[in-house]
Amino acid sequence: AQSVTQPDIHITVSEGASLELRCNYSYGATPYLFWYVQSPGQGLQLLLKYFSGDTLVQGIKGFEAEFKRSQSSFNLRKPSVHWSDAAEYFCAVGLYNQGGKLIFGQGTELSVKP
Amino acid sequence: DGGITQSPKYLFRKEGQNVTLSCEQNLNHDAMYWYRQDPGQGLRLIYYSQIVNDFQKGDIAEGYSVSREKKESFPLTVTSAQKNPTAFYLCASSPGTGTVKYEQYFGPGTRLTVT
Repeated sequence: AQSVTQPDIHITVSEGASLELRCNYSYGATPYLFWYVQSPGQGLQLLLKYFSGDTLVQGIKGFEAEFKRSQSSFNLRKPSVHWSDAAEYFCAVGLYNQGGKLIFGQGTELSVKP
Repeated sequence: DGGITQSPKYLFRKEGQNVTLSCEQNLNHDAMYWYRQDPGQGLRLIYYSQIVNDFQKGDIAEGYSVSREKKESFPLTVTSAQKNPTAFYLCASSPGTGTVKYEQYFGPGTRLTVT
């Protein structure tokens, strides 16, 4: 069965430090890949997406992600974290020919130390 | 302003009562989705609809029902058959065709508490 794994439930980084959030997927073909961000008690906002082509994709708020087929990964990165980045981050996989359905990972909660 | 509206933000019900959560979008999107979010479990798909008057069960449809009589509206009813209904419910929509159909836009959510 298709699945998405975010190995880190909670990560704490210092403001100004770099960030990498991990995402691995299990799927028989190359899926469509997404990262969403959720502030407490709010809905989700799309950060970036990968459909095909260049494996390094840029998103909003200074985030980027890299698709690595050999590792079935789509890790999210940011060179310098700001206090406002504290939120929960979800990786998601879209399955080809299954409408617009997404499968979400369990989420990684990011805390930012001053 | 285009977007997705979910109301109310907080909802309280007694056990054994059915309750309907509202979801409205003015993005002219064809597809709409309902998710349930529980701590540590990510989002799980309850129902989705790709066109008016048609919808499909997601992964956890038991105890829930939906309707899609209008393009802009996709209400979710949590029935008394749902064993553990207390959760945060998120509605989303997306355009109907092409790869953009995977780009889901989310509402602010409704937190349902059943006691």
